[in-house]
Amino acid sequence: DSGVTQTPKHLITATGQRVTLRCSPRSGDLSVYWYQQSLDQGLQFLIQYYNGEERAKGNILERFSAQQFPDLHSELNLSSLELGDSALYFCASSVAGGGTQETQYFGPGTRLLVL
Amino acid sequence: QKEVEQDPGPLSVPEGAIVSLNCTYSNSAFQYFMWYRQYSRKGPELLMYTYSSGNKEDGRFTAQVDKSSKYISLFIRDSQPSDSATYLCAMSRYSSASKIIFGSGTRLSIRP
Repeated sequence: DSGVTQTPKHLITATGQRVTLRCSPRSGDLSVYWYQQSLDQGLQFLIQYYNGEERAKGNILERFSAQQFPDLHSELNLSSLELGDSALYFCASSVAGGGTQETQYFGPGTRLLVL
Repeated sequence: QKEVEQDPGPLSVPEGAIVSLNCTYSNSAFQYFMWYRQYSRKGPELLMYTYSSGNKEDGRFTAQVDKSSKYISLFIRDSQPSDSATYLCAMSRYSSASKIIFGSGTRLSIRP
């Protein structure tokens, strides 16, 4: 168990809908990362927050947004969902600002299915 | 062409065998190299981290980086059924976790 929790574990929704994925980082970790893992694209970095502020952006669509709250938990909002958004969404956390030498601890993921 | 290429497998070997997992890459600017292990229905976990070229050993695992060939390897000695997982290589040119590029993963199965 990595200490990172994600809810819900599974989510089934329809095209055009909006969903919110939630992540609680390990105790003491200030950085939260969101990733998308799909069969055709592999594991792709979406966005990073550090202590409440956006630190880095990756291949995140404009329909997606995220935030990190004062208690350091984070939410990823996905809107106007399309079939191609079906994927595993992982949250990871690390203790500081996100150097490559920092270990990222991944949560168990949220499996999203858009029908 | 993808920046990082990794054979998806699956790779099946008998228990006790030496396993070799590999990735090739096209960007010569990559300096930081990692291997992650991902069990079914779990998130990835960092196995090995290497900066620049050379070898790094940790227990039964050895990571090798050959920057001249743009080729990285992970060797697993005395493989165990518990090593059955998907192994993802990952690399970055910057010392920033947000810039990591992941391979697509190789599925490994160790037969008892």
